[in-house]
Amino acid sequence: EAGVAQSPRYKIIEKRQSVAFWCNPISGHATLYWYQQILGQGPKLLIQFQNNGVVDDSQLPKDRFSAERLKGVDSTLKIQPAKLEDSAVYLCASSSGTGVSNGYTFGSGTRLTVV
Amino acid sequence: KQEVTQIPAALSVPEGENLVLNCSFTDSAIYNLQWFRQDPGKGLTSLLLIQSSQREQTSGRLNASLDKSSGRSTLYIAASQPGDSATYLCAVKDNYGQNFVFGPGTRLSVLP
Repeated sequence: EAGVAQSPRYKIIEKRQSVAFWCNPISGHATLYWYQQILGQGPKLLIQFQNNGVVDDSQLPKDRFSAERLKGVDSTLKIQPAKLEDSAVYLCASSSGTGVSNGYTFGSGTRLTVV
Repeated sequence: KQEVTQIPAALSVPEGENLVLNCSFTDSAIYNLQWFRQDPGKGLTSLLLIQSSQREQTSGRLNASLDKSSGRSTLYIAASQPGDSATYLCAVKDNYGQNFVFGPGTRLSVLP
């Protein structure tokens, strides 16, 4: 079974620029998550999709962050404009469902540095 | 609001030692708890998933226990090896079973 694919692996941008990350979940996984992990902290949920619908985006800074999963498969996360405090690893994870017994599979993440 | 803490923040042990990592959560009404490993610059790898009805799970040298009533989980690593060096994170699934809340992790170094 192929894992969760993310790209790019690394990105360095200047503040106020825009950036986009891509995630391809495990085939057949209906639920997709984007997490932000700041250095030294645990991952924090940004947004959760169930197929192509948003389940939870309560912690997504909507003035600058956006995400979509148009066909219920791949997803993109965008930041525009970026701030210094957005420097973090952005992790994508997928799950076969939101049921209580479902665990997660994570991608390798995209490390963003804003200078 | 669920909060997850992990103690210690960092741990350094000589190779061969048995060790215990601790995870605490504030809301005991969880549905499951998962332990992950994260290597530097990498994503998270699932180690063990414990359902709320279970007391423990074992995989190789790893054993995870869950005590919902006290809001605690422990990850026991037997006969530690340098390859075990990584950050270990625990995460609990919230009351609605929608997503995980993560702890900050314990950074483990096993010295040869």
